[in-house]
Amino acid sequence: NAGVMQNPRHLVRRRGQEARLRCSPMKGHSHVYWYRQLPEEGLKFMVYLQKENIIDESGMPKERFSAEFPKEGPSILRIQQVVRGDSAAYFCASSPPLLGNTEAFFGQGTRLTVV
Amino acid sequence: GENVEQHPSTLSVQEGDSAVIKCTYSDSASNYFPWYKQELGKGPQLIIDIRSNVGEKKDQRIAVTLNKTAKHFSLHITETQPEDSAVYFCAASINGNQFYFGTGTSLTVIP
Repeated sequence: NAGVMQNPRHLVRRRGQEARLRCSPMKGHSHVYWYRQLPEEGLKFMVYLQKENIIDESGMPKERFSAEFPKEGPSILRIQQVVRGDSAAYFCASSPPLLGNTEAFFGQGTRLTVV
Repeated sequence: GENVEQHPSTLSVQEGDSAVIKCTYSDSASNYFPWYKQELGKGPQLIIDIRSNVGEKKDQRIAVTLNKTAKHFSLHITETQPEDSAVYFCAASINGNQFYFGTGTSLTVIP
């Protein structure tokens, strides 16, 4: 059973371009979380999705950022018109569709560099 | 919303000594508390977790304790080894619907 797969591992974008980060959850998992980590800082929650639904996007910046988790395919975190301040590591985690306390497993992250 | 605080931010111990990292949380509804280890350039890895119906859990050299009344939980690593050096994050969750992380503890084990 493969773990949470994120791609690309590294992404370089020029200011103003779009960045698309992909996350394939573990097999059987239907909950996906996105976190942002700035250098030497903790994990900041961005968005929590279930299949075809955004459950909690309270951590998402109001502009330029969007996320989706379609019925088929990976979850996508999209950043439009990137700026230098978007440079960070973006981590995706997934958990199974069970009620109650469940573990969340992280991918290796996508390191976005905006030049 | 939930607020998780973690201390210390950095910790250095001699190899073989014990390391303790402490976290507090604010929302009494939180009932699941995982700990993650993050090595340089990698994603966080779940190392141990505890649920609110348990006061202590142990897995070899790692143990976690939970005090629901005081709203704090701790990670204990005994007989530390150089490979334990990493950043450790605590988290609190309500039924796994959202995970709130502490700010991390950078642990260095000195050989």
